[in-house]
Amino acid sequence: DTAVSQTPKYLVTQMGNDKSIKCEQNLGHDTMYWYKQDSKKFLKIMFSYNNKELIINETVPNRFSPKSPDKAHLNLHINSLELGDSAVYFCASSQVPQGTANVLTFGAGSRLTVL
Amino acid sequence: KQEVTQIPAALSVPEGENLVLNCSFTDSAIYNLQWFRQDPGKGLTSLLLIQSSQREQTSGRLNASLDKSSGRSTLYIAASQPGDSATYLCAVPGANNLFFGTGTRLTVIP
Repeated sequence: DTAVSQTPKYLVTQMGNDKSIKCEQNLGHDTMYWYKQDSKKFLKIMFSYNNKELIINETVPNRFSPKSPDKAHLNLHINSLELGDSAVYFCASSQVPQGTANVLTFGAGSRLTVL
Repeated sequence: KQEVTQIPAALSVPEGENLVLNCSFTDSAIYNLQWFRQDPGKGLTSLLLIQSSQREQTSGRLNASLDKSSGRSTLYIAASQPGDSATYLCAVPGANNLFFGTGTRLTVIP
């Protein structure tokens, strides 16, 4: 069984569209994250939710809106897509927020291409 | 703010060689350090987690060391195999997230 699953795996869309990426974890973890990996392979935190509450919101355009309906799901909605949004988006989860000994479990990534 | 750097950015070695990947971080007040592996088109797999109180952690052919005072960690891979080809990332925890290095892309040539 997949621990952290993301859908879709690939997403190709036009500039200006609105799209969503979904993430679900079946590990019983309390904390979930969205990371963005750019073309230079640099991974950067975007958002973190602990038990459905937002605890990290890095400097990300407000076109990006995370939603956590329950602690097993963290979805990412992106409005008015721009070329620079093209990247691989990784969802991850951990037992508690990082800073302790807990390990993050990552999804396989969702590759977004904006044309 | 924590900055994590990895050198080299890319490395090619013939099969069977031992190799070392380097990771440095600017803020030494860390709880732990993790090494991850990323295969093309795949997610990240955690390889080793070293607690701040440890100096080394071993898993099979992998050995990771941590020197907090100098802000450095190394990942040693013994007897490299073509299946080790991947991008290796180190990461240190912040308040509620991980700070990742830019990774080292390793190619092991058969």
